[in-house]
Amino acid sequence: GQQVMQIPQYQHVQEGEDFTTYCNSSTTLSNIQWYKQRPGGHPVFLIQLVKSGEVKKQKRLTFQFGEAKKNSSLHITATQTTDVGTYFCAGRNTGANNLFFGTGTRLTVIP
Amino acid sequence: NAGVTQTPKFQVLKTGQSMTLQCAQDMNHNSMYWYRQDPGMGLRLIYYSASEGTTDKGEVPNGYNVSRLNKREFSLRLESAAPSQTSVYFCASRAGLNEQFFGPGTRLTVL
Repeated sequence: GQQVMQIPQYQHVQEGEDFTTYCNSSTTLSNIQWYKQRPGGHPVFLIQLVKSGEVKKQKRLTFQFGEAKKNSSLHITATQTTDVGTYFCAGRNTGANNLFFGTGTRLTVIP
Repeated sequence: NAGVTQTPKFQVLKTGQSMTLQCAQDMNHNSMYWYRQDPGMGLRLIYYSASEGTTDKGEVPNGYNVSRLNKREFSLRLESAAPSQTSVYFCASRAGLNEQFFGPGTRLTVL
């Protein structure tokens, strides 16, 4: 069945350091979405990637979709305390209605 | 617009009790979803409804039932609660193949 694996599970960084989380799917995806969940909150949509090799940026956040559309990454440059939370990737197979969520990476930023 | 609302926010049940979690959205979305979130396991899909009048099983449907009452409302019912159903439950809605909007969640404890 569909599996979306995400690594690392936890990451502690000093404020100002960079952070990357990786997402790998067992099947080729039609698109991938990224969500952020603050502690005690609910997931909030960040971005959607659709094209093979696509790269999108949102200020300090860079999102990539692999050439084979089976992996993705989120990179945060110079982390801030406001970046704290759990980051989830979520992939969808072609023709499917559902998203399969990765297990998430919990980011802690040490001031 | 309130977005996606869920009630209750917190609930404690005894094993064997039943309850219904309510979800409503005011964004005129066709698709609605129920997820459960457990530590280290990300978001797992319980049931979804692609449109009013239809419902389908997700990854972990056992022990749950759902009702798509109308386009706005999608409820989740636990007929006989078990400790394994202790979790945080999120409802979400989506228009087309775009982002999912999540409700604030229901924190359920089954003793």
